Amino acid sequence: EPEVTQTPSHQVTQMGQEVILRCVPISNHLYFYWYRQILGQKVEFLVSFYNNEISEKSEIFDDQFSVERPDGSNFTLKIRSTKLEDSAMYFCASSVLVGETQYFGPGTRLLVL
Amino acid sequence: GESVGLHLPTLSVQEGDNSIINCAYSNSASDYFIWYKQESGKGPQFIIDIRSNMDKRQGQRVTVLLNKTVKHLSLQIAATQPGDSAVYFCAESSKSNFGNEKLTFGTGTRLTIIP
Repeated sequence: EPEVTQTPSHQVTQMGQEVILRCVPISNHLYFYWYRQILGQKVEFLVSFYNNEISEKSEIFDDQFSVERPDGSNFTLKIRSTKLEDSAMYFCASSVLVGETQYFGPGTRLLVL
Repeated sequence: GESVGLHLPTLSVQEGDNSIINCAYSNSASDYFIWYKQESGKGPQFIIDIRSNMDKRQGQRVTVLLNKTVKHLSLQIAATQPGDSAVYFCAESSKSNFGNEKLTFGTGTRLTIIP
């Protein structure tokens, strides 16, 4: 069964450093998403992406965040200058079409020191 | 405002019994609802969804009920098994200009199946 994959599974970084989190969505899916989950809290929407453009983003997704589809398979989330409060699980998701089921990857646990 | 909340943070059920997990939502414009299961260290796993034009939907051992009048959603798991132990999240979305995109998650209920 096809699934969303994410790398790395864990990332430790120093405050102020840039990180790139990678995702490979399900191959025939056209919509891609990033969510995050701070330890013990709800899963929160960050951004949705379609046709090489951001289609919706939350207030969390400020200028420090960017997303890219650098090739036909990868979907990345970049945090330019990490802050302590960026420590969280980051989940990538994809769906065939907008409004269809979003399937989640296993997540990347980001720890900012 | 938009919020999705769960009534109970933890639930313990004897193996083989049925379980019911409840969820309240506040956005009356929500028209798509999903239940996800999250096991430790893993991402949310889709269980079942329902759209606002329905009030009940059944899957394998799972049933979702939607009561739009009181903005309430429930997940029933029949004949629970040890593998059902996990945190269960409800999520909702409403149509934006681009369709249903952003999912708003509840806080989660931890279901523990007692052998």
